[in-house]
Amino acid sequence: SQTIHQWPATLVQPVGSPLSLECTVEGTSNPNLYWYRQAAGRGLQLLFYSVGIGQISSEVPQNLSASRPQDRQFILSSKKLLLSDSGFYLCAWSNPFRGEKDTQYFGPGTRLTVL
Amino acid sequence: AQSVAQPEDQVNVAEGNPLTVKCTYSVSGNPYLFWYVQYPNRGLQFLLKYITGDNLVKGSYGFEAEFNKSQTSFHLKKPSALVSDSALYFCAVRPDRGSTLGRLYFGRGTQLTVWP
Repeated sequence: SQTIHQWPATLVQPVGSPLSLECTVEGTSNPNLYWYRQAAGRGLQLLFYSVGIGQISSEVPQNLSASRPQDRQFILSSKKLLLSDSGFYLCAWSNPFRGEKDTQYFGPGTRLTVL
Repeated sequence: AQSVAQPEDQVNVAEGNPLTVKCTYSVSGNPYLFWYVQYPNRGLQFLLKYITGDNLVKGSYGFEAEFNKSQTSFHLKKPSALVSDSALYFCAVRPDRGSTLGRLYFGRGTQLTVWP
């Protein structure tokens, strides 16, 4: 079965510091991968999505970037965090090749607090 | 523009009573429709989806949803609510059926509280 991991689970960082959040998927190949941010317990905002290694599309221009160095690894980064980057970051995957291709499955999330 | 509306921020029901969480959408073509549930500080859990066929879809934990094409709605229902159903519920739609991307648009969420 497929499993999605995110780490760290929680993170407290000062303004201006760098960020690296990691997401990995097990049990599937060539997944579509997604990064979402959820602010104040509501409203998921799609940040980035990827259909393959090195292929990243950005939904919202902002202080963040994403990379996909391996097939099942998706990284969210920032060079300098802003207060507004605080939130709950969710990674998701979907399988483009199966009948359930349109279901996205979410990881446990990372709670980021920028002080 | 694609959009999903969950008109109620909060729904309160007594345990044992039926519950409904509403969702309406505005997307192009014939969308796929989804419901997810989120417990505090957790990721989203998939509940059910409508792809095609019977308008009444059954999912996890006794939940079901009814697709109404003319009203562009996909309301989540459960005949008898449990206290453990208390959580944040998200409706989502995927408008571009022809794409392999599977990109979703989410509503803002509805907080369901079930009172004992």
